[in-house]
Amino acid sequence: NAGVTQTPKFQVLKTGQSMTLQCAQDMNHNSMYWYRQDPGMGLRLIYYSASEGTTDKGEVPNGYNVSRLNKREFSLRLESAAPSQTSVYFCASSERGERIGNTIYFGEGSWLTVV
Amino acid sequence: AQRVTQPEKLLSVFKGAPVELKCNYSYSGSPELFWYVQYSRQRLQLLLRHISRESIKGFTADLNKGETSFHLKKPFAQEEDSAMYYCALRDTGGFKTIFGAGTRLFVKA
Repeated sequence: NAGVTQTPKFQVLKTGQSMTLQCAQDMNHNSMYWYRQDPGMGLRLIYYSASEGTTDKGEVPNGYNVSRLNKREFSLRLESAAPSQTSVYFCASSERGERIGNTIYFGEGSWLTVV
Repeated sequence: AQRVTQPEKLLSVFKGAPVELKCNYSYSGSPELFWYVQYSRQRLQLLLRHISRESIKGFTADLNKGETSFHLKKPFAQEEDSAMYYCALRDTGGFKTIFGAGTRLFVKA
């Protein structure tokens, strides 16, 4: 049981390049999330998917797109990378809408540098 | 708008001393609050949630709706408590969880 798995772990991009971060969970969770972590700003929600077939913007969606490919997979795409997108990206998942036990499970993180 | 504020970026205490990590929130509805922790080289993970009213690794947190706070406390800090701590709030719909900026706790020997 791997939990939440995200790839790649490290990536260096040039400004203007595109890339996709992949994420998969094996816990049969309905909800999935992408966060970015920056020093002094904590974790900020980029996009989330409450259930398969739906996606919604979070706090900082500009410059990103997402795809909920199926119940297991939720990818994050940077169409034209900018230095401001240098960050650590976390994928996460949770049970849907249950007030008790709504724990978020995180991946190990993806370190992205845009030069 | 919902917001989570952790006023301290860094907190340093000696082993055996009490520790309190502050968390304040703004939210118009009935909040669901959590503390998450990230130890060195480990994944971010849940520490405790207010609805469970539990004590985990000696930590407790009480929701104070009057002061809109959810401070994390431990009476006697241990070196292994050194980590990054995040306070988090889940919205009414139960899908979005918003995190504070985090507090790094150092426990010195």
